[in-house]
Amino acid sequence: SQQGEEDPQALSIQEGENATMNCSYKTSINNLQWYRQNSGRGLVHLILIRSNEREKHSGRLRVTLDTSKKSSSLLITASRAADTASYFCATRGTNAGKSTFGDGTTLTVKP
Amino acid sequence: GAVVSQHPSRVICKSGTSVKIECRSLDFQATTMFWYRQFPKKSLMLMATSNEGSKATYEQGVEKDKFLINHASLTLSTLTVTSAHPEDSSFYICSAPLPASGSYEQYFGPGTRLTVT
Repeated sequence: SQQGEEDPQALSIQEGENATMNCSYKTSINNLQWYRQNSGRGLVHLILIRSNEREKHSGRLRVTLDTSKKSSSLLITASRAADTASYFCATRGTNAGKSTFGDGTTLTVKP
Repeated sequence: GAVVSQHPSRVICKSGTSVKIECRSLDFQATTMFWYRQFPKKSLMLMATSNEGSKATYEQGVEKDKFLINHASLTLSTLTVTSAHPEDSSFYICSAPLPASGSYEQYFGPGTRLTVT
């Protein structure tokens, strides 16, 4: 399996509920980033968390990182229909500039 | 924040022709840029690393003679799909990391939708 695997692959919730997506990876990382992609569009950077950080917040987003378990989670609180999109995690290794993307989680928020 | 642009956003070409896609960093210099390909409902697949002033580094399985990369300046990288075929139809996205500041943040272009007929 590849570096950066998201779980679940698809998530459908009602507006107002929280959405949690998880990402697991295999090798040591320098940082992990979460991106959002609306259908047919480019990626939008949401949040970056460094390997020495455990939690970060940005508005309704909360990201955690557990390097011992090689996993990260993205929590979107009080979801809105506009949050409907695909969410990807990307890991950047300790000695390479490139990022490796997971397969993504498709989130659908029903109004 | 940093901005990366791509041009064109969408292109339709005939089989056998070549298509050039540009990736520009608008307010910062990028000695390195990355080119990704994305199939429908799939993740991004790294194709190659574009290096200013030197040859691109291609990922395993990516044909360097088919996907020509030129990093002409510190703000521009181009991907040319040569002798395009319908199977080359895809969404191509570039990214550029911010200059070394410890952040290693990457900024992505909006993508180019290529359709080969």
